[in-house]
Amino acid sequence: AQKVTQAQTEISVVEKEDVTLDCVYETRDTTYYLFWYKQPPSGELVFLIRRNSFDEQNEISGRYSWNFQKSTSSFNFTITASQVVDSAVYFCALRILTGGGNKLTFGTGTQLKVEL
Amino acid sequence: SAVISQKPSRDICQRGTSLTIQCQVDSQVTMMFWYRQQPGQSLTLIATANQGSEATYESGFVIDKFPISRPNLTFSTLTVSNMSPEDSSIYLCSVRPGTDTYEQYFGPGTRLTVT
Repeated sequence: AQKVTQAQTEISVVEKEDVTLDCVYETRDTTYYLFWYKQPPSGELVFLIRRNSFDEQNEISGRYSWNFQKSTSSFNFTITASQVVDSAVYFCALRILTGGGNKLTFGTGTQLKVEL
Repeated sequence: SAVISQKPSRDICQRGTSLTIQCQVDSQVTMMFWYRQQPGQSLTLIATANQGSEATYESGFVIDKFPISRPNLTFSTLTVSNMSPEDSSIYLCSVRPGTDTYEQYFGPGTRLTVT
């Protein structure tokens, strides 16, 4: 069975601080996809990134960066120079391709609060 | 990416009634899904909406409680039947645009409160 663990329930930082959100996943499949989504207070789920299991290159997009390490089954997300607008719940999710390959398994989310 | 709209955006319903939620996508998509997010919780897949055939339900979800329709490649409905307060959740439509597209997008959600 698949599992995604986001051990940090809530993180509070002061604006301009860097913050890393942890994600650890479990699967026996060798082919899978990992995702990060942002859910601001308005409730919609915003797609941030998708990474497949064959590509361990880290990715940077503006202030966001992702560190994928298969050896530790982790896919961590770092926000550099955080801003108040980054305040949201962030979800990590896993999708495998076997058994139909349709289900996204979500972690429990990390609530990020960025304060002035 | 696909632009997804849902109706209604929120509703307050009495127990024992049913509510149908609509999901409209601005382009044809291969896969459509329905997820539930209970208050303060993560997201759980209810079912995959199959075009022209019965939906595929996840364990713990049944067709009698959550009937789903998908008449074409841009539209789907989810009905929450015989509602109880435990059904109070956000219901989200989700799409995967193509068979070779692995990104998955979510609609804005429908906030349902059952009293």
